[in-house]
Amino acid sequence: AQSVTQPDIHITVSEGASLELRCNYSYGATPYLFWYVQSPGQGLQLLLKYFSGDTLVQGIKGFEAEFKRSQSSFNLRKPSVHWSDAAEYFCAVGSGGGADGLTFGKGTHLIIQP
Amino acid sequence: DTAVSQTPKYLVTQMGNDKSIKCEQNLGHDTMYWYKQDSKKFLKIMFSYNNKELIINETVPNRFSPKSPDKAHLNLHINSLELGDSAVYFCASSHTQKNEQFFGPGTRLTVL
Repeated sequence: AQSVTQPDIHITVSEGASLELRCNYSYGATPYLFWYVQSPGQGLQLLLKYFSGDTLVQGIKGFEAEFKRSQSSFNLRKPSVHWSDAAEYFCAVGSGGGADGLTFGKGTHLIIQP
Repeated sequence: DTAVSQTPKYLVTQMGNDKSIKCEQNLGHDTMYWYKQDSKKFLKIMFSYNNKELIINETVPNRFSPKSPDKAHLNLHINSLELGDSAVYFCASSHTQKNEQFFGPGTRLTVL
């Protein structure tokens, strides 16, 4: 069965510092990987996705993620965080098509210190 | 210009009542989904529909009945509401060929 693990429930980062959020997945076929962000009281916004090709993918808001098949990981990074980045971040895995639902990790709550 | 919209945004009701949540997408997608986010923020797929046909029906009580009148709409009807149904329900949509899902703003259901 597929699964996603986000080992960090909470992460606190100072504004302007770099950020890395970890994500490990288990999937029986070629994984299609996603990072979503959820601000308080809001829906989920897609930050970036990996389907194939270059293993370093760029997303919105200055985020990037690197797919490492050997480590079954898809970590999210940002070189310099802003206070507005405080939110809940979800990693998800799914198939490349069809009507399959996404399997989500439990999320990482990002706190930005001034 | 909202891509995926849900109504209502908030729903407060008594145990035993029946309620519906509506979802509409204007992205031209052919697949729509319902997810449940529990109090610990865990998201889990409930249903998916492709071209108005039910594809996924996870282990959801049969008190939950999705209905898709057309490709742009997927409604969720819940009978005999229970306390444990309190959650945020998200609708999402995607193209069948590309599982990039776009989410609605969510409906926070509170059962008293």
